[in-house]
Amino acid sequence: QLQLQESGPGLVRPSETLSLTCIVSGGSIISSNYYWGWIRQPPGKGLQWIGSIQFSGNTYYNPSLKSRVTISVDTSKNQFSLRLNSVTAADTAVHYCVRQRGYCTDGVCSPFHYFYMDVWGRGATVTVSS
Amino acid sequence: QSVLTQPPSASGTPGQRVTISCSGSSSNIGSNYVYWYQHFPGTAPKLLIYRNNQRPSGVPDRFSGSKSGTSASLAISGLRSEDEADYYCAVWDARLSDWLFGGGTKLTVL
Repeated sequence: QLQLQESGPGLVRPSETLSLTCIVSGGSIISSNYYWGWIRQPPGKGLQWIGSIQFSGNTYYNPSLKSRVTISVDTSKNQFSLRLNSVTAADTAVHYCVRQRGYCTDGVCSPFHYFYMDVWGRGATVTVSS
Repeated sequence: QSVLTQPPSASGTPGQRVTISCSGSSSNIGSNYVYWYQHFPGTAPKLLIYRNNQRPSGVPDRFSGSKSGTSASLAISGLRSEDEADYYCAVWDARLSDWLFGGGTKLTVL
């Protein structure tokens, strides 16, 4: 059974960089059938997609966060990571890592927007404060 | 304020049927699949419905999804106390190039 576990500092200072890693267990990150993504939920607010990556390194980012976000993948460690720079208090949130399932046949895969979130981690709270 | 509109709360008694709505627009619900998630605070959200009306294995058939035009609904029949949770709809928005989530509906079983 696939499990996702977020890890990283729970406190980040304003203007610095938020870094989180998602450790994937119970399955391989190497598959064209999946993207691996990050979603956050600020206190009292809704869920916001941050971005996603495939094992090949292909990425998609939320346009509103794109200038500050980098998502990377380490296939040797079966994990992927999030970096969000120049953080402010507005970036305080519970951050979830997710698996996004799509489908591929004969080497042709569905467009990114067909890759839906089917497995979630429990979430990691990151607070931005001095 | 979410682009996808859900009622903030819903309630029902055990055994009843409850529906939760999700309203959007032509660039999201009107042209893409809708997904539904169940979330107990402090735990990992769980996929309930994918591609408008499909249930992953292990999800009881008490849960069903539907879509019409720019709105979608999640129905829960035979309501149980363990269904008390937060429910979110999600959909890709082609105009924004963004995955959108509804604001969430807190379901209370009376």
